[in-house]
Amino acid sequence: GEDVEQSLFLSVREGDSSVINCTYTDSSSTYLYWYKQEPGAGLQLLTYIFSNMDMKQDQRLTVLLNKKDKHLSLRIADTQTGDSAIYFCAVDGSGNTGKLIFGQGTTLQVKP
Amino acid sequence: DGGITQSPKYLFRKEGQNVTLSCEQNLNHDAMYWYRQDPGQGLRLIYYSQIVNDFQKGDIAEGYSVSREKKESFPLTVTSAQKNPTAFYLCASSETGNPLEQYFGPGTRLTVT
Repeated sequence: GEDVEQSLFLSVREGDSSVINCTYTDSSSTYLYWYKQEPGAGLQLLTYIFSNMDMKQDQRLTVLLNKKDKHLSLRIADTQTGDSAIYFCAVDGSGNTGKLIFGQGTTLQVKP
Repeated sequence: DGGITQSPKYLFRKEGQNVTLSCEQNLNHDAMYWYRQDPGQGLRLIYYSQIVNDFQKGDIAEGYSVSREKKESFPLTVTSAQKNPTAFYLCASSETGNPLEQYFGPGTRLTVT
């Protein structure tokens, strides 16, 4: 089945850029998503990218998609302490199943 | 305000008891989902429903049951057959079709002792 992998932890200094990476196995995924989870809360959709795009920018967030390598990344510019959270990558896989497959999540720690 | 509510926020039960977690949405979404979250394992899909009176098993349905009698409600029952029920449970909803923008509730933390 589809597999989505992320590194578990990233630590950056306030004001630096953060890059969170994700790899997936199913090249037929149509949309790829980034979600944010703050402590003890549900997930919040940050952004998504259509599979025929290479890049999408939304204010401080930049999503890069390399379909050949099945690699997705989320760059957060000027990272703030409020960005500290768990970030999940998700893909919709193949077959229009109506399901998302999530990675394990990357915990982003922002140091002042 | 439109959104998804889950109640209660914290739930404690003794081993051997069934427990039902509530999930309600007023977003008029057709699809609803239940996930389980354990530390370091991300989200795992338990059950999902794309329309009223119909639902499908996810990856870890054993020991769980659901019903979808109303569009806005998708309760999850954790039965005594679930071997390791202590976890954080998240409910989500979305419109059907792509992109699959799922909206999540605040979660219920279930502790079984």
